[in-house]
Amino acid sequence: DTGVSQDPRHKITKRGQNVTFRCDPISEHNRLYWYRQTLGQGPEFLTYFQNEAQLEKSRLLSDRFSAERPKGSFSTLEIQRTEQGDSAMYLCASSNRDRGVAGELFFGEGSRLTVL
Amino acid sequence: SQKIEQNSEALNIQEGKTATLTCNYTNYSPAYLQWYRQDPGRGPVFLLLIRENEKEKRKERLKVTFDTTLKQSLFHITASQPADSATYLCALLYSSASKIIFGSGTRLSIRP
Repeated sequence: DTGVSQDPRHKITKRGQNVTFRCDPISEHNRLYWYRQTLGQGPEFLTYFQNEAQLEKSRLLSDRFSAERPKGSFSTLEIQRTEQGDSAMYLCASSNRDRGVAGELFFGEGSRLTVL
Repeated sequence: SQKIEQNSEALNIQEGKTATLTCNYTNYSPAYLQWYRQDPGRGPVFLLLIRENEKEKRKERLKVTFDTTLKQSLFHITASQPADSATYLCALLYSSASKIIFGSGTRLSIRP
């Protein structure tokens, strides 16, 4: 098990384009989270899944953002019509609700998005 | 909505001293409070969790306290080393099933 992996690690795009990030969690983890982080700030909650069910989505998130976890394994985060304000590090984390330390998150290395 | 406040200014201390970082929150107390370490360009790494009915938790050189009256957690690193230099994040959970929200983090620098 190599931990949580995210792809791509870096993405540069032009304003108005769509981007998609992928996250592969630790295999036995049933929870998957997406966060966004800008320089000097902590991770900002975006959404999370329990298996394939999306349990909560941040009210701060516009309709341009959508996330899926179709088979309860990997997840994708899509941003449509990107804006410069979307430039950030997008972090994925997974956890096992039923085992281990309550809510201990295992993070990937993140996908850094730059919107020109 | 819940607010989590951590020292916004960087903390610089001498190697060997104890570093103390603060996490304050508003509104009602969480069931769990976590601390993570984050190095530049990397994802956060979990360090410790403390429950609302626990006053103190220790792990090697780390100690966390949780005061629900003050709505505050303190994170201590004793015998600090330059390798402890990083950003430290506190995070709250209101139940084992809830989402996890993070503070803005405190950057810690340990000088030799």
